Order: sequence, then C-alpha cells, then structure tokens
Amino acid sequence: NAGVTQTPKFRVLKTGQSMTLLCAQDMNHEYMYWYRQDPGMGLRLIHYSVGEGTTAKGEVPDGYNVSRLKKQNFLLGLESAAPSQTSVYFCASSRGVTNTGELFFGEGSRLTVL
Amino acid sequence: GEDVEQSLFLSVREGDSSVINCTYTDSSSTYLYWYKQEPGAGLQLLTYIFSNMDMKQDQRLTVLLNKKDKHLSLRIADTQTGDSAIYFCAENGRGSGGYQKVTFGTGTKLQVIP
Repeated sequence: NAGVTQTPKFRVLKTGQSMTLLCAQDMNHEYMYWYRQDPGMGLRLIHYSVGEGTTAKGEVPDGYNVSRLKKQNFLLGLESAAPSQTSVYFCASSRGVTNTGELFFGEGSRLTVL
Repeated sequence: GEDVEQSLFLSVREGDSSVINCTYTDSSSTYLYWYKQEPGAGLQLLTYIFSNMDMKQDQRLTVLLNKKDKHLSLRIADTQTGDSAIYFCAENGRGSGGYQKVTFGTGTKLQVIP
C-alpha cells in the first residue's frame, strides 16, 4: 500500500509565486490534515478536513487555502508565497475520532521561498 | 489552550536507556502518543497509551503516564544507533468543532553515541 503520498517532494519558489501541494491517501480515511514543521516549533496544523467537500482552519491558516473535492485527495495552495512559508509540509490522514486516532503521514514536501 | 512541551535534545550512549519526557495541558485527552521521525521522513506512530492507563510496555519501549501531573515519558531500553531520530509527544483531544485534534510537542532529538 502506498499510504499517504505527497507531491512534489521539493520546490523552490520566488516571493509572490503560487503553487499547490497534492496529498493522496489510499486508506479510505475520512480525516486529512496539513501541517508545517519548523525547527523548534514542532508540527503546527494549517488546515484540516473531516470529509469530502469539507475543510476547516487550523492553528496557522493565513496565506494558505485547501480543497478536498475527492475523499482521497487534499490540496494545499499558496496563492502568493512569502519567505515565512519556507518550511517542510506534511500531510496526514486518519480514520477520525472513533478509534485510537493514529495519524498516517506522508514523507513531507520541502518548500523554499526566496 | 492545549500545549505540549518536551526538551529539544537528548544524547545517550549505545546500550544505555533513554528517557524522553513530555508535559501536556489538556486533561480531556483520550490518547497520548509517541511518534518517531527519522531523517528525511514523515512521522510514524511508535506507541500510544489510553488515558486511563498508567503504564504500557512494548518490547524495549515503556510508556509512563502520570495524569495528575500531566506528564508522559518514553523509556527506550538498550538504546541502539537505529533509535536516533526525533521523538514527538502528542495528545488527542477534540477541537472546537468536535473534530479529532492532535497537538504535537516540539520534538526531542535523540542522538545515540556508539
């Protein structure tokens, strides 16, 4: 099983450019999440989705948008990239609140904004 | 709000025991987790403990939970070089919309010296 797959794995952007990170899961999970990981700050939740067609804001949503048109896909968009968005982005999925709550993570997407 | 704290770095000699500590604030957490992140990879669930348990043992891993002090620890016996990684403590609660909210600590980087 592929689990959670993120594309691209690396990207360099110039300030003001836009891009989309794609997350795909093949486990039929209801919940999907986007986190960013920065040194000394752990993982911070950007946006999440509790099902197809639904999205909601996490801790640090500003500058990002998301969409979940299909259950298996969760897209993270940066409309106008800023250097502060240089980070490693992780997508995760889970079955939801009815079990142990284990999150399954992708391998990460390293984004650099110049 | 929820907050999970852990020290940033731990260095041990191969064969010794490692103890990674964590404090959390959400007393309503149903599960507490330890995730492991190896270099260049996403997080993977290492072990978890249900909030009504005090201890859980799984081979070389021992998790201790002190609910009164909101303290969680992970002990790795006979630490090996392959245990070198970042270890994240996390708690599982409910977000304001009732969704499964997992809050991560900053991560403890474990360095195992041969």
